[in-house]
Amino acid sequence: NAGVTQTPKFQVLKTGQSMTLQCAQDMNHEYMSWYRQDPGMGLRLIHYSVGAGITDQGEVPNGYNVSRSTTEDFPLRLLSAAPSQTSVYFCASYSSLYEQYFGPGTRLTVT
Amino acid sequence: DAKTTQPTSMDCAEGRAANLPCNHSTISGNEYVYWYRQIHSQGPQYIIHGLKNNETNEMASLIITEDRKSSTLILPHATLRDTAVYYCIVRGLGAGNNRKLIWGLGTSLAVNP
Repeated sequence: NAGVTQTPKFQVLKTGQSMTLQCAQDMNHEYMSWYRQDPGMGLRLIHYSVGAGITDQGEVPNGYNVSRSTTEDFPLRLLSAAPSQTSVYFCASYSSLYEQYFGPGTRLTVT
Repeated sequence: DAKTTQPTSMDCAEGRAANLPCNHSTISGNEYVYWYRQIHSQGPQYIIHGLKNNETNEMASLIITEDRKSSTLILPHATLRDTAVYYCIVRGLGAGNNRKLIWGLGTSLAVNP
């Protein structure tokens, strides 16, 4: 079991570029989420999914898109990167609310 | 969602018990208390959760006061590897929008040799 995997580990983008952060889980979990973590702040929920084909917005969804075509994958798309999106991004999957499994994170810098 | 209050930082000697407090005075009857930790630069890791009764697992114990307004996470024999930020979160188990955890800043625990 690889658990939750995220790629890439590190990424540098220029303002205005787009990219997709990948997240995959092999635990057959229904639920998946994307968070961002900034210095001095707790994790903030960007988008989440309660199953294939079903997604919803979290606290800070602007500038990000998601889709969930399979149970395993939950990619996060940055449409037009901005310096304010410089952050560490974590993907999580879970079958019940309390025990979320997190990936190792993607460290994104937007210049 | 009930708000939680935790100390910003704590120290503990290696081998001793680490007691991390959390105040959640506005918790409602159907809200659980969850604890996660985040070791530097890694993704958060689930530790334990509880509703009313005290809970224990291989990692820690959770003591919830009778009025449920506060709780304490206990690491019985702290090691250097327990140095991390510990998050106390309160949330219900309802469907839909309730399936979200709201994270605070947590307590930064330093275990010293």
